[in-house]
Amino acid sequence: AQSVTQLGSHVSVSEGALVLLRCNYSSSVPPYLFWYVQYPNQGLQLLLKYTTGATLVKGINGFEAEFKKSETSFHLTKPSAHMSDAAEYFCAVSPILTGGGNKLTFGTGTQLKVEL
Amino acid sequence: AAGVIQSPRHLIKEKRETATLKCYPIPRHDTVYWYQQGPGQDPQFLISFYEKMQSDKGSIPDRFSAQQFSDYHSELNMSSLELGDSALYFCASSPREGAVADTQYFGPGTRLTVL
Repeated sequence: AQSVTQLGSHVSVSEGALVLLRCNYSSSVPPYLFWYVQYPNQGLQLLLKYTTGATLVKGINGFEAEFKKSETSFHLTKPSAHMSDAAEYFCAVSPILTGGGNKLTFGTGTQLKVEL
Repeated sequence: AAGVIQSPRHLIKEKRETATLKCYPIPRHDTVYWYQQGPGQDPQFLISFYEKMQSDKGSIPDRFSAQQFSDYHSELNMSSLELGDSALYFCASSPREGAVADTQYFGPGTRLTVL
């Protein structure tokens, strides 16, 4: 079974500071990894994903994540936080399958607060 | 760009009533997933369909059923509603092939409130 663990249910940073949201995965086979963002009362928006190839993945809104197999991690970073980044962030994992079997297993989420 | 459409956006039902949630995937996406997100919880996988056939099943109660139609839209039918069914229900779609294969794009969700 696959799972992800997000360390820190709440993270607070100052505007302009580095954002670091942690995600560790557990999987017996190489998985696909995703980061989604959810703004209040809205759906989940894909930030970025890792499938194969380059381990540093760049996403939207200046976010990036690095897949580290040795550490089973996929931490999300952004060099400079903006007030509009305040939201809940979910790390997710899915198996590498075809035919509609790629259900996502989510972490418990990290609420990012950005302060002036 | 076209996105996943879900209807209704909000639904209020009484206990023991039934509800039907609809999902219209992004054009040319052949796979649909349903997730349930309880208050303050992470989304939980319910069920998925690929090419109109059920492809995977998660923690979906027996009171719930779903199907995918010939036009690829999907419906989640919920019967004998319970208070605990109150949640945000998301639909996601993905294509099987191409540059974004197996990437799930989520709809805005249907917020179901059971009174």
